[in-house]
Amino acid sequence: EDQVTQSPEALRLQEGESSSLNCSYTVSGLRGLFWYRQDPGKGPEFLFTLYSAGEEKEKERLKATLTKKESFLHITAPKPEDSATYLCAVQAMGDMRFGAGTRLTVKP
Amino acid sequence: NAGVTQTPKFRVLKTGQSMTLLCAQDMNHEYMYWYRQDPGMGLRLIHYSVGEGTTAKGEVPDGYNVSRLKKQNFLLGLESAAPSQTSVYFCASRGGVYEQFFGPGTRLTVL
Repeated sequence: EDQVTQSPEALRLQEGESSSLNCSYTVSGLRGLFWYRQDPGKGPEFLFTLYSAGEEKEKERLKATLTKKESFLHITAPKPEDSATYLCAVQAMGDMRFGAGTRLTVKP
Repeated sequence: NAGVTQTPKFRVLKTGQSMTLLCAQDMNHEYMYWYRQDPGMGLRLIHYSVGEGTTAKGEVPDGYNVSRLKKQNFLLGLESAAPSQTSVYFCASRGGVYEQFFGPGTRLTVL
């Protein structure tokens, strides 16, 4: 069965303190790995799609990378407005599977 | 371009009552999905549709029914609500690629 595990569950950073969020997965026939941002009381907002190991995508302070077993979301010099829950999801042969998310808090 | 919209935003039901959640999208997407999100758990797929007139079961379909009579709308019904169905419900849609686009959610409480 496809599985997606995100770590840590919660992460508190000081403004400007770079870090990474992890998404490990076990699937057969990966078709895509997705990162979403979710603000409190809102729906997930699409960030990135990664299709194959070695691929990288960037958007502002965020950079997503992919290996055969995991993906990282690197946050460089975060700002308080980057505070949110970040969701990882994988699409294989079946339904899209989501991780439980990492709740990121960036203190000024 | 409103994207994906959901009504209502909030609802409180008593055990045994029924209700319908409406999802609408204006992106001409073929695929539509209903998820539920519970604390500490990832989004879980309830039902989905690959086109007008089609529906299929997801991971957690029991207690829910769906209909896709028009391409732009996807309805989720609860025939007899139970406290275990207290959750936040999200609708999503996608076109030819795999990225799904989500609505703002419906927060449902069943007493």
